[in-house]
Amino acid sequence: QITLKESGPTLVKPTQTLTLTCTFSGFSLSTSGVGVAWIRQPPGKALEWLALFYWDGTERYIPSLKSRLTITKDTSKNQVVLTMTNVDPVDTATYYCARRLTTSGDGSSWFFDSWGQGTLVTVSS
Amino acid sequence: DIQMTQSPSSLSASVGDRVTITCRASQSILKYLNWYQQKPGKAPELLIHTTSNLQSGVPSRFSGSGSGTDFTLTISSLQREDFATYYCQQTYSVPPYTFGQGSKLEIK
Repeated sequence: QITLKESGPTLVKPTQTLTLTCTFSGFSLSTSGVGVAWIRQPPGKALEWLALFYWDGTERYIPSLKSRLTITKDTSKNQVVLTMTNVDPVDTATYYCARRLTTSGDGSSWFFDSWGQGTLVTVSS
Repeated sequence: DIQMTQSPSSLSASVGDRVTITCRASQSILKYLNWYQQKPGKAPELLIHTTSNLQSGVPSRFSGSGSGTDFTLTISSLQREDFATYYCQQTYSVPPYTFGQGSKLEIK
């Protein structure tokens, strides 16, 4: 059974650094084609993809936030961590982590097939 | 960045209706388009990947089609549990892997 669960603070002050942890089980991040992503959703708004950590250590970020984001992996704990610096109230959102899976040999066809329940982060002084 | 535009943004329908939601990309994304369903207070769930491939466990009343810039999600006969918000997402080439703005399907 594949599970992912997000954890982190529920309230963060503006200009602080937000650290979110995705703890997963049921799959290995060392398997070719697998990745773990972070996606957020402001209240009442659409989904926004933020970052992706691939099985081979490659990292990808949304260009508009790249300077503020870092995604890392803790293999020993089956965790992927997202760090966001200098947060602002507009960063208030539910943050999800999700597994990236591919069904094509070249990895061109991929999708998020399993998601965590999400964690609501509010940025406010 | 590739922009994804869904239409309609909201719609009302009745149980048993056939419903189509459209997703348009600002440039060709070939076939790299996924659909997700999200119910209130829940995480999104994958419905269809790569335009037309039904995810395991998803009812066959859901189908997807399209290529290039224009894609559709069709529900052949709406069931009560299908009332939700639907998002398309493109996974073509380089980031960002953008989602559409969502299409909220409500009971008439």
